[in-house]
Amino acid sequence: GQNIDQPTEMTATEGAIVQINCTYQTSGFNGLFWYQQHAGEAPTFLSYNVLDGLEEKGRFSSFLSRSKGYSYLLLKELQMKDSASYLCAVRDRNRGSTLGRLYFGRGTQLTVWP
Amino acid sequence: KAGVTQTPRYLIKTRGQQVTLSCSPISGHRSVSWYQQTPGQGLQFLFEYFSETQRNKGNFPGRFSGRQFSNSRSEMNVSTLELGDSALYLCASSLGREGETQYFGPGTRLLVL
Repeated sequence: GQNIDQPTEMTATEGAIVQINCTYQTSGFNGLFWYQQHAGEAPTFLSYNVLDGLEEKGRFSSFLSRSKGYSYLLLKELQMKDSASYLCAVRDRNRGSTLGRLYFGRGTQLTVWP
Repeated sequence: KAGVTQTPRYLIKTRGQQVTLSCSPISGHRSVSWYQQTPGQGLQFLFEYFSETQRNKGNFPGRFSGRQFSNSRSEMNVSTLELGDSALYLCASSLGREGETQYFGPGTRLLVL
């Protein structure tokens, strides 16, 4: 399998910026995804990185360094509705592996306080 | 476009029974992947189907099986249910091409008593 590590919990206040880190080890890296999951709901797609660098989408940005096996999700201008679990997932292209398999971290539970 | 749909949304079964869950992917998507989510283990991959063929399988016992139909709809079956099978079962669809994002359905929450 793959080792995907992210902090279990984080807290922040409204209007602040928070960075959620994710480190991974794979034998055939083929992309990293961030998903947001509110309690009792399905994960929703936030971002995708396959090349090194920063991808920006409104208040959310995601960064990838393949050489370091490291990614982060940056959330700006935090709102109460951003309280959720944030899942880091890696696609691994091994021989015999397929496009459809993602390896997920345990998720980082973010709580945004007023 | 309608999103991924899963039925039923909630299910209660007893040990030893079997269960079938259904997933309809986004229109045009040919790949369907299934995941099990529990508080203790997080999201774990079960299997993936593309064009009615199983392309990959996770590390789950043979009690877990699935199939995909010609319209890309997929079902998964769990036989001889155990208490530990209580979980949220999520399916995700994608076009199935390199780099494509997977989109998740709302899940089926299964409780085994």
